[in-house]
Amino acid sequence: ELKVEQNPLFLSMQEGKNYTIYCNYSTTSDRLYWYRQDPGKSLESLFVLLSNGAVKQEGRLMASLDTKARLSTLHITAAVHDLSATYFCAGGATNKLIFGTGTLLAVQP
Amino acid sequence: GAVVSQHPSWVICKSGTSVKIECRSLDFQATTMFWYRQFPKQSLMLMATSNEGSKATYEQGVEKDKFLINHASLTLSTLTVTSAHPEDSSFYICSAYYGADTQYFGPGTRLTVL
Repeated sequence: ELKVEQNPLFLSMQEGKNYTIYCNYSTTSDRLYWYRQDPGKSLESLFVLLSNGAVKQEGRLMASLDTKARLSTLHITAAVHDLSATYFCAGGATNKLIFGTGTLLAVQP
Repeated sequence: GAVVSQHPSWVICKSGTSVKIECRSLDFQATTMFWYRQFPKQSLMLMATSNEGSKATYEQGVEKDKFLINHASLTLSTLTVTSAHPEDSSFYICSAYYGADTQYFGPGTRLTVL
């Protein structure tokens, strides 16, 4: 059964700094998703990564996928306060997603 | 496009009562809908998968007699929490899927059982 782990679980960042969230998964996954969740809200889809070597970027966020290493990363460039949220990765098939533990990102001024 | 709504967004009920949560796909027909539960500061856990016109498939450890799921049409699925207890208090999120590359998530329903 697919297991998805994220690290770190909590990340306190300074504005303007760069950092990376890691998502490891245990078995083959059709695809890898990244979501953002603000407190008390539902999930906002950020990226869908469909193949080995896939890289997608939106603003200060960039996601990549290495299927051989069973690893996806979410890179944050020059963090700003608006990026403070919980970020989840999820793997599996579209009709059955397994979510990671989540990373709470807090960007400090 | 691909908007999913949930109703209610927030509900408080007394222990022992039943609560129904609706999930609707507003601008597409969903072949499959999913129900997740999220406890505070935890991840989303899939409870069940439902396909229109057929019985829901429940994940291991989820009581199907307690969490009744009905998927009567391609745009509506309901989750009924029967005989709710305080430990059922949680954030319930539905999502809908129609064969594209992603699920579309509803805004969530916060259930508080007193």
